[in-house]
Amino acid sequence: AQSVAQPEDQVNVAEGNPLTVKCTYSVSGNPYLFWYVQYPNRGLQFLLKYITGDNLVKGSYGFEAEFNKSQTSFHLKKPSALVSDSALYFCAVRDFNQAGTALIFGKGTTLSVSS
Amino acid sequence: GAVVSQHPSRVICKSGTSVKIECRSLDFQATTMFWYRQFPKQSLMLMATSNEGSKATYEQGVEKDKFLINHASLTLSTLTVTSAHPEDSSFYICSAKLAGGSSYNEQFFGPGTRLTVL
Repeated sequence: AQSVAQPEDQVNVAEGNPLTVKCTYSVSGNPYLFWYVQYPNRGLQFLLKYITGDNLVKGSYGFEAEFNKSQTSFHLKKPSALVSDSALYFCAVRDFNQAGTALIFGKGTTLSVSS
Repeated sequence: GAVVSQHPSRVICKSGTSVKIECRSLDFQATTMFWYRQFPKQSLMLMATSNEGSKATYEQGVEKDKFLINHASLTLSTLTVTSAHPEDSSFYICSAKLAGGSSYNEQFFGPGTRLTVL
């Protein structure tokens, strides 16, 4: 069975500081990993994804994520946080070889960036 | 490209009525669509997988007679909440997957529908 864990309900950082939102996953095969952001009463916005290749993936709005196979992690990072980054962040996974299956989401992490 | 729309964006209904939510892939064909449900400040929980021309596959604990799914074309799936009750109030999000069996095909998400049952 596939699963995603986001161990932190909330992450607080000051504007200008680096941020990390943690995610670990479990899949039986090769992982197809995603990060999405959600603003209040809005749908999901795609940030980035990892399929294969370079372990450091760069995405939208200056975000990046590092795939670590040995630790089964896919942490989201940004070198310098903005107040406008405050939102709900979801990590999601599916088995890359199971093309017809849905993404499974973590519980979400609320990022709060203070000015 | 790869835009998914949902209609309506918000709906308020009385308890006991039925509500239909549409999910459309606007610029691509989707043989598979997924329906998720999200409670406030919680994650997206997969409700069902909708395949064009066949019956939907429901996740454990989701009542198929209450949440009717119809995927009649390659661009449209509908979710009907029958005899809605206040506990059905939630944010319903659909996603559509590009047609074809490629493992690279990702899901594209709609903007969500806020259902409030009074």
